Amino acid sequence: LAKTTQPISMDSYEGQEVNITCSHNNIATNDYITWYQQFPSQGPRFIIQGYKTKVTNEVASLFIPADRKSSTLSLPRVSLSDTAVYYCLVGDLDSGSARQLTFGSGTQLTVLP
Amino acid sequence: EPEVTQTPSHQVTQMGQEVILRCVPISNHLYFYWYRQILGQKVEFLVSFYNNEISEKSEIFDDQFSVERPDGSNFTLKIRSTKLEDSAMYFCASLPGLAGGNEQFFGPGTRLTVL
Repeated sequence: LAKTTQPISMDSYEGQEVNITCSHNNIATNDYITWYQQFPSQGPRFIIQGYKTKVTNEVASLFIPADRKSSTLSLPRVSLSDTAVYYCLVGDLDSGSARQLTFGSGTQLTVLP
Repeated sequence: EPEVTQTPSHQVTQMGQEVILRCVPISNHLYFYWYRQILGQKVEFLVSFYNNEISEKSEIFDDQFSVERPDGSNFTLKIRSTKLEDSAMYFCASLPGLAGGNEQFFGPGTRLTVL
């Protein structure tokens, strides 16, 4: 499993765009990049997943450069309720295994009024 | 929207006692998981379960732990002879299947407190 590195914490203000970058220098060819969100005392929640270039859904965008050694989660116009820990995970989804998730320390995003 | 449910939300037990944490995964999902999160620490994988047997387990998942799917809906984690260091949030998760999407759906967790 590729190791990921994220900032420990970030602060932002309501209405701003937030970009959280994750480094995964040892990503393998078959690895996908997935982001989860976790609020205090709740289970993690899937946000977005991608393999290369850009993926967008109703919640976020995920930017992956051509070398795939990093990725950036972009949250548009954050609100106070986006305060949470954001995890970047990298793993092979086609390995035939049961796809256990390996969480790192994540990034604590704090949105200020 | 279907969701994973877990009971109880909070379990307090004495050291040395056995506890059973219960989960009801989403009904048409095929893969089931237990994770734990000690306060202030990472979410850690414990075990995955598919086709009525363990698929993978971590080093944490030793003989103290066992999982069972006793019927078509429940998925349980049993912790025997609990220790103080077993105090943590325990999350159950489920996955539709290898061809059904890559999103694991997590339950709200059970907070286990061992005294």
